[in-house]
Order: sequence, then structure tokens, then C-alpha cells
Amino acid sequence: KAGVTQTPRYLIKTRGQQVTLSCSPISGHRSVSWYQQTPGQGLQFLFEYFSETQRNKGNFPGRFSGRQFSNSRSEMNVSTLELGDSALYLCASVRIGQSDWGRQETQYFGPGTRLLVL
Amino acid sequence: ILNVEQSPQSLHVQEGDSTNFTCSFPSSNFYALHWYRWETAKSPEALFVMTLNGDEKKKGRISATLNTKEGYSYLYIKGSQPEDSATYLCAFNTDKLIFGTGTRLQVFP
Repeated sequence: KAGVTQTPRYLIKTRGQQVTLSCSPISGHRSVSWYQQTPGQGLQFLFEYFSETQRNKGNFPGRFSGRQFSNSRSEMNVSTLELGDSALYLCASVRIGQSDWGRQETQYFGPGTRLLVL
Repeated sequence: ILNVEQSPQSLHVQEGDSTNFTCSFPSSNFYALHWYRWETAKSPEALFVMTLNGDEKKKGRISATLNTKEGYSYLYIKGSQPEDSATYLCAFNTDKLIFGTGTRLQVFP
């Protein structure tokens, strides 16, 4: 089974520009989560999509948006880039299963897109 | 604001040493606790999902315990090897995953 793919892997933009990142989850997984990692910070949750609907959102400004397509591929967009948006953006394909104690999620991460804003 | 803390921030050990590190999380409304290993230039890889108080999980030389009443989990590595060098992340599962900042482990030959 192919893993999670993210494109592009590296990106350099300037302040004020906008950027779109893409994530293709593992085949059969319908849920995708996005995270941002900056130096010294843990992975910060951006949003989660399930069946083309945003199910959850983290504490990020409205400049960060996303969507999911019918084939479960997801994109995230950052408009009006700021220097502080320089980060590694990770996408995770989520397998949802059932165990004896209820719903269980396992997240499979892609390689990430490293964004540098100059 | 839910806080997940990991300690220590970094750890340097010799090959063959055993080591352990801690993840602290809110003890109320517990659902699940995840451990991930993140090697440099790779993607985070799921190690364990722990849900029951007193749970202990093992994968080769790596094991983890869970105490939901006091809000902590320990990750143990027995006989560390250089290939164990990575950042170990824990994540507290609410309606989303809240990650700690990780423990960076370096194992020297």
C-alpha cells in the first residue's frame, strides 16, 4: 500500500504571497489531518477533514484554510504569507477503527512540506 | 488550554544503556495517549496507542506504561542502539491530537 504523499516537498515564498500544499492519503483512508511544526514547538494541529467536510480546526488565523476532495486528497492554503509561517507542514492519513474500548485512531504521517517564507 | 509536557527535552546515552522518558497530560477526560518516533528526515511513525489505565505495551526493546489517574506515561528503551536515535513524541487524544514537544534521544556507539 502506498504511503501518504505530500507535494511539494520544499517551497520558498515571499511575504504576502499565498501557497497551496497537497496531501494524498493512504488508499481507503477518508480522514486527513494537517499539522504545523516550527522550531521549538510541538506539532500544532491545523485542521481535520473527513469525507470532504472540515471536522475540526485548530487555533490558527483565517489565512490558513483547507479542503478535501471526493478522492480524499486534501489541500491546505495559506494566504498573505508571513515570516512566521515558515515551518514544516505535515499531513496525516487517519485510519479509524474500533477496539474493545471504542473508536481508535491511528495517524500515518507524510514526509511533510518544508515552507520557507522570505 | 490542554498541555502535554515531555521530559527531558533531550537525552544522550551510550549504546547498550537503557533509558526512559516521561509524558505528562491532563488526567481528566482521558481518551487515548499516542507515542510516535520521529527519525531525522523521515515521517513520524506510530509506536503505541494506549487507552487503559495500567496499560503496558511493548514493541521489541521499546515499551510504554500508562497512568491515567495521575496523567503520565513512560516510554522505556532497553539496551539503546544508535538506530534508536530519534525524537519521541507523545500526543494526548481529545477530539484531536495534542502533541508534546518531544524528547530528542541520541545514542552514541
